[in-house]
Amino acid sequence: GAVVSQHPSRVICKSGTSVKIECRSLDFQATTMFWYRQFPKQSLMLMATSNEGSKATYEQGVEKDKFLINHASLTLSTLTVTSAHPEDSSFYICSASASSGGGRVAFFGQGTRLTVV
Amino acid sequence: GDSVTQMEGPVTLSEEAFLTINCTYTATGYPSLFWYVQYPGEGLQLLLKATKADDKGSNKGFEATYRKETTSFHLEKGSVQVSDSAVYFCALSPDGGYQKVTFGIGTKLQVIP
Repeated sequence: GAVVSQHPSRVICKSGTSVKIECRSLDFQATTMFWYRQFPKQSLMLMATSNEGSKATYEQGVEKDKFLINHASLTLSTLTVTSAHPEDSSFYICSASASSGGGRVAFFGQGTRLTVV
Repeated sequence: GDSVTQMEGPVTLSEEAFLTINCTYTATGYPSLFWYVQYPGEGLQLLLKATKADDKGSNKGFEATYRKETTSFHLEKGSVQVSDSAVYFCALSPDGGYQKVTFGIGTKLQVIP
């Protein structure tokens, strides 16, 4: 099946620094990718929709200046957490949809555990 | 808006026990329904899906039936194994998985020998 690769899987950074997370579709082209965040004991929540060649669409309540999304090619989207703070510590995961079994299915990356200290 | 409700867990079962994880949803129209599984240290993997009412998705011994009348998509397995220990997410998508997916909270399953 389709493969989505996310890197890094874990990152620890100091408060005030920026962290970049990469999401790649390895064997298919993805014009649209999605970024989710999961806080402890909560569900995965959509943060933004990343569109190749255009600006990302952010969900209500997500700060676009803090969570910078770049979708420079059909196989790569990046999420940069700028000026990270401890409250940004979370599990971030990306997805892209691809054809599967006659329909389309969202394939997910491995996720990134971000810890801001 | 769309929402998915599933039992929070954790669920602890002995090997070979019967598993049910309940999932109900709220959505307009006719969404596609999914179960994703997340093994320790890994990302989400699609376990099974159903795209219309009365469809049954199945994979690796797991089954779930799309029940529109009860807006449910309960996950079942007749005999769980230790290797099934993971977090299971019920999810829906309004357009067959092409766009964003709405997830339940996830249910952690622990199977003990």
